[in-house]
Amino acid sequence: LAKTTQPISMDSYEGQEVNITCSHNNIATNDYITWYQQFPSQGPRFIIQGYKTKVTNEVASLFIPADRKSSTLSLPRVSLSDTAVYYCLVGVGNNNDMRFGAGTRLTVKP
Amino acid sequence: GAVVSQHPSRVICKSGTSVKIECRSLDFQATTMFWYRQFPKKSLMLMATSNEGSKATYEQGVEKDKFLINHASLTLSTLTVTSAHPEDSSFYICSANSPGQGANNEQFFGPGTRLTVL
Repeated sequence: LAKTTQPISMDSYEGQEVNITCSHNNIATNDYITWYQQFPSQGPRFIIQGYKTKVTNEVASLFIPADRKSSTLSLPRVSLSDTAVYYCLVGVGNNNDMRFGAGTRLTVKP
Repeated sequence: GAVVSQHPSRVICKSGTSVKIECRSLDFQATTMFWYRQFPKKSLMLMATSNEGSKATYEQGVEKDKFLINHASLTLSTLTVTSAHPEDSSFYICSANSPGQGANNEQFFGPGTRLTVL
């Protein structure tokens, strides 16, 4: 089971790019890396998923180095509404992989 | 697509009573559902994993007789908090997944249920 480590909190300002890195040193060959976003008193929602190199969608990019022991979620030009907790999860189609780490609390300031 | 609902969204009960929380996948059949508990300013704590038609698998430290999980169909799982006490007050969240829905092992989360035990 790949354990993840993220910074507890980050601050940013509107319009800046935010990069949140997650360490997962014992990631397995079949594991995917998935990021979720959670607002207060809501369930998390999927942001992005990747296996290697770079993945981009309409809200974020995910950078994964060749050794896959870490990953970086990149949020371009954040706004106040991006203030949330961001979690990275590592696993594959194994139910036991759905354990969340501490997450990163991102605060975007005006 | 891939919407998960929870009912109720908020419940207040007296100590000693039992509370049932429903989790439904509205537009897909969920092969697996997960139940989490979240305390203020804390991360989600996985309580149990349930597959339709079989007994739930509980995480270490979670009392299966206190937190009864039933996954009777591919669209419904229920969590019953039996003999609730104030320390059971928390935010309970379910999630569901199914092969072919979303990304690899993507979880679709419900909106959560706020339980307050007086």
